[in-house]
Amino acid sequence: DGGITQSPKYLFRKEGQNVTLSCEQNLNHDAMYWYRQDPGQGLRLIYYSQIVNDFQKGDIAEGYSVSREKKESFPLTVTSAQKNPTAFYLCASGTDSIYGYTFGSGTRLTVV
Amino acid sequence: AQSVTQLDSQVPVFEEAPVELRCNYSSSVSVYLFWYVQYPNQGLQLLLKYLSGSTLVKGINGFEAEFNKSQTSFHLRKPSVHISDTAEYFCAVTKKTSYDKVIFGPGTSLSVIP
Repeated sequence: DGGITQSPKYLFRKEGQNVTLSCEQNLNHDAMYWYRQDPGQGLRLIYYSQIVNDFQKGDIAEGYSVSREKKESFPLTVTSAQKNPTAFYLCASGTDSIYGYTFGSGTRLTVV
Repeated sequence: AQSVTQLDSQVPVFEEAPVELRCNYSSSVSVYLFWYVQYPNQGLQLLLKYLSGSTLVKGINGFEAEFNKSQTSFHLRKPSVHISDTAEYFCAVTKKTSYDKVIFGPGTSLSVIP
């Protein structure tokens, strides 16, 4: 079945370490997105990519980096520059507007 | 630019009672409208969408929504809720172009009380 896979589901890291969250899709979608979600808050867009080898900053890109070397993959790196990285991270993909987005199941990152 | 407002951040309702979650949007162009549901510690799942035609759209799990162009609203309803409907609900909008970003509302937390 087609879908989006985010891994790992839970991730623990020490403060000051970089960490990379994986997002893979087999839906043949051109566009992919990363969102951050904090308790009781909505979705905040971190980065998005509409085509391979190209990506744009979202609303809260500082302290994050991404790459889009393959259509299927859009990994997110949370760097040590991110002041408060503990959050729930969601990856999504999309194609024509008529379909909306398909979401992964999320990665909960805890920095201690 | 588009924007979405969900007036109620939290909605408690008793089991088997009806519920309405309100959504209003702002846009200068025609839009597609969506409702997503998020269960705890999971991703978002599409409940239903309005593209064109009939203003009443039916989705999964017994939910339905009505598009009102004059009031720029897209309220979600269910005639009788179940405990399993406890979740976060997001209204979303995107322009009717071949491709554009989806804009999400802040979400409404629905709590079903036994």
